[in-house]
Amino acid sequence: ETGVTQTPRHLVMGMTNKKSLKCEQHLGHNAMYWYKQSAKKPLELMFVYSLEERVENNSVPSRFSPECPNSSHLFLHLHTLQPEDSALYLCASSQDTAYEQYFGPGTRLTVT
Amino acid sequence: AQSVSQHNHHVILSEAASLELGCNYSYGGTVNLFWYVQYPGQHLQLLLKYFSGDPLVKGIKGFEAEFIKSKFSFNLRKPSVQWSDTAEYFCAVLLFSNKLIFGTGTRLQVFP
Repeated sequence: ETGVTQTPRHLVMGMTNKKSLKCEQHLGHNAMYWYKQSAKKPLELMFVYSLEERVENNSVPSRFSPECPNSSHLFLHLHTLQPEDSALYLCASSQDTAYEQYFGPGTRLTVT
Repeated sequence: AQSVSQHNHHVILSEAASLELGCNYSYGGTVNLFWYVQYPGQHLQLLLKYFSGDPLVKGIKGFEAEFIKSKFSFNLRKPSVQWSDTAEYFCAVLLFSNKLIFGTGTRLQVFP
């Protein structure tokens, strides 16, 4: 059981497609995050939102576009991705950015 | 650049054996430290955390970790592992900038 949910759990998309990943947290937290988990590499922080404002963009290519409409929801809009973008994308939330983070189950993305 | 090193990539133990997983970080400032665990097919879960105070912290399921500031280390221990501890373990360091950096993970296999 997790307080952070992610949809879809699996996604296959072509390089010309546009898709979105959704994250929802039910913990009353004020900060939300996107991470990329690739095989044999550490989790890579992509974006941080605190109180619905983006406070960190970790040099992520513009083909990844985050959106945080409120403190409970976070989206990652994807367009013209590359095969090397195939990975597990994890969403997390925390009370604020100085506290421990709680992770969702992830979306397994495959770019063909 | 700041980094987190987990030197043991794959550990294989028999049940009842003792466990110690190494974690070292390269950052001279104030840090908060975490161990996360990912059981097969499940999401990342917080195992334990250190913010301040007693450098020996206890987490769930009999795990503990010791923060040794002079060695920039936060090693995870368990005196007697169980088959159900089979999982991947991630050390993470929260920097003063509120950026969470993960190690590459250690895969633990416990055989009955």
